[in-house]
Amino acid sequence: QKEVEQNSGPLSVPEGAIASLNCTYSDRGSQSFFWYRQYSGKSPELIMSIYSNGDKEDGRFTAQLNKASQYVSLLIRDSQPSDSATYLCAVTAYTGGFKTIFGAGTRLFVKA
Amino acid sequence: SQTIHQWPATLVQPVGSPLSLECTVEGTSNPNLYWYRQAAGRGLQLLFYSVGIGQISSEVPQNLSASRPQDRQFILSSKKLLLSDSGFYLCAWSGGPSNQPQHFGDGTRLSIL
Repeated sequence: QKEVEQNSGPLSVPEGAIASLNCTYSDRGSQSFFWYRQYSGKSPELIMSIYSNGDKEDGRFTAQLNKASQYVSLLIRDSQPSDSATYLCAVTAYTGGFKTIFGAGTRLFVKA
Repeated sequence: SQTIHQWPATLVQPVGSPLSLECTVEGTSNPNLYWYRQAAGRGLQLLFYSVGIGQISSEVPQNLSASRPQDRQFILSSKKLLLSDSGFYLCAWSGGPSNQPQHFGDGTRLSIL
């Protein structure tokens, strides 16, 4: 059973701090890694994609991938109350066809 | 640019009634299409996916079915709804065949009474 694990939270950080969200996956053959943000009552929105080891930065967001440790993380710098949402980690592997597995998500609260 | 449309936004149906949810994608051809259900406070459960017209794969046995009558149209149906079918239904597309990310529609919140 391929799995993607996230701490459900809630993770609470003060405004302006760095929020660190973590995700582990079980399939060593995983090739693509995504972070989605889901506001309450809304659909998931893609915020980051990462395909190779290392860091990828986009504005206040940094995705970090370590395939050896089967670990992907999302850092949010200068956290804002508007960042309060559930963050979903998604991992895609090729097993006779591309298949994406979503984690259950981590709830983030940014306190003003 | 690509857009995905999903309707209706909310739906209240009695137990035992039929269901039809529709999703269409614009701005791309031959997308992979997906139906998910999300129970309150829970993760995404993949229900069906399709890599082409008439090609449907079911992930979870249930009283739901899916069809893809046109390249960019995906329909989720049921002949008789159960209370357990309540949830937030999401349609998504991705470029295929590839390992590209999925992009979601706005979702349909379905309540069964």
